[in-house]
Amino acid sequence: EPEVTQTPSHQVTQMGQEVILRCVPISNHLYFYWYRQILGQKVEFLVSFYNNEISEKSEIFDDQFSVERPDGSNFTLKIRSTKLEDSAMYFCASSWRQGGMKDEQYFGPGTRLTVT
Amino acid sequence: AQSVTQLGSHVSVSEGALVLLRCNYSSSVPPYLFWYVQYPNQGLQLLLKYTSAATLVKGINDFEAEFKKSETSFHLTKPSAHMSDAAEYFCAVSGDGGYQKVTFGTGTKLQVIP
Repeated sequence: EPEVTQTPSHQVTQMGQEVILRCVPISNHLYFYWYRQILGQKVEFLVSFYNNEISEKSEIFDDQFSVERPDGSNFTLKIRSTKLEDSAMYFCASSWRQGGMKDEQYFGPGTRLTVT
Repeated sequence: AQSVTQLGSHVSVSEGALVLLRCNYSSSVPPYLFWYVQYPNQGLQLLLKYTSAATLVKGINDFEAEFKKSETSFHLTKPSAHMSDAAEYFCAVSGDGGYQKVTFGTGTKLQVIP
């Protein structure tokens, strides 16, 4: 069964450094998402992406964050200057291939980001 | 805007007992509702989903949930708890179409006592 993959599984970085989290959505899916989960808290929506542009973003997704689909398979989340409070599990998700059902987002296994 | 409220951050049941995890939703449009399970240090796995078809939804591992519009509820049940069911469970809601952002509840940690 096709699945969303994410790399790396764990990223440790120093405060102020830039990080790029990578995701490979399910092939032929058209919607892509990033969510985060701070330890012990609920999963929060960050951003959705469709047709090569952001379709919706939350208030968390400020100017320090950006997303990109650099090629036909990858979907990335960049944090320009990491803060301690960016430490969290980041989940990528994708949904909807053309002609299929729109009703389910498939989540990747997550990247645990630790900012020191 | 959509939101979900999960009643009880921790639930303990004995092995073999009924599992009932409560979720109430708020939505200004017909909701798509989901239950996800998260095992320690793992990602999110979809248990089941409601997408305006049958109100009683069956999912994996004998879990099921019933959509009750009059009560704005989508409670998750399982007739007989197994030790492997110990995990955190998230109720979630999405707007019409399902491709909109998913809004998660705060989660319920299920403990299964042998």
